[in-house]
Amino acid sequence: NAGVTQTPKFRVLKTGQSMTLLCAQDMNHEYMYWYRQDPGMGLRLIHYSVGEGTTAKGEVPDGYNVSRLKKQNFLLGLESAAPSQTSVYFCAIYEPMGNTGELFFGEGSRLTVL
Amino acid sequence: ILNVEQSPQSLHVQEGDSTNFTCSFPSSNFYALHWYRWETAKSPEALFVMTLNGDEKKKGRISATLNTKEGYSYLYIKGSQPEDSATYLCARRGFNKFYFGSGTKLNVKP
Repeated sequence: NAGVTQTPKFRVLKTGQSMTLLCAQDMNHEYMYWYRQDPGMGLRLIHYSVGEGTTAKGEVPDGYNVSRLKKQNFLLGLESAAPSQTSVYFCAIYEPMGNTGELFFGEGSRLTVL
Repeated sequence: ILNVEQSPQSLHVQEGDSTNFTCSFPSSNFYALHWYRWETAKSPEALFVMTLNGDEKKKGRISATLNTKEGYSYLYIKGSQPEDSATYLCARRGFNKFYFGSGTKLNVKP
């Protein structure tokens, strides 16, 4: 998954703790996305960004915040973790090239909230 | 159709069988249809990006077709091999966002 790096890869949190997931890209793509993947539910969009300094809500934004202060980094924050946020989180990047561009994904971050 | 729907949810075939899956999506405000291959413990990898009605794409034994007017795409695998075992995701690209189906999990038995 050259180009998209997620940290950390694994994390265990207690209910109420906070944490931040970092997505870093070196492909200079404008668009960045945070998804969560749960069994039987496919990929659900949490938040996304279409450029540095911009963010927008996806399908399931509650309980998460994001920031894109630098073009290459997209941060996903959990202010007060809940067991319902136990999931695998994927970052993806995209560069619209006449609608033919593809999404590139990071390797995922597995988060467990106890 | 409001969401992206994929069928079947899972599929078990024997090595050498040919198989196909369906992706159904809302036909309005269509930009592109993506197919991804997702192996366990890895991240999704792009197979095809399709934009035009009637598009057909092929990569080795895997091919896909697109019908934007009726809102569906088919993915075909000819002569399935054990290494084809994976979850196959489709995603409809709307304005700035991608809407994913829940995937078809393919298991190819040797």
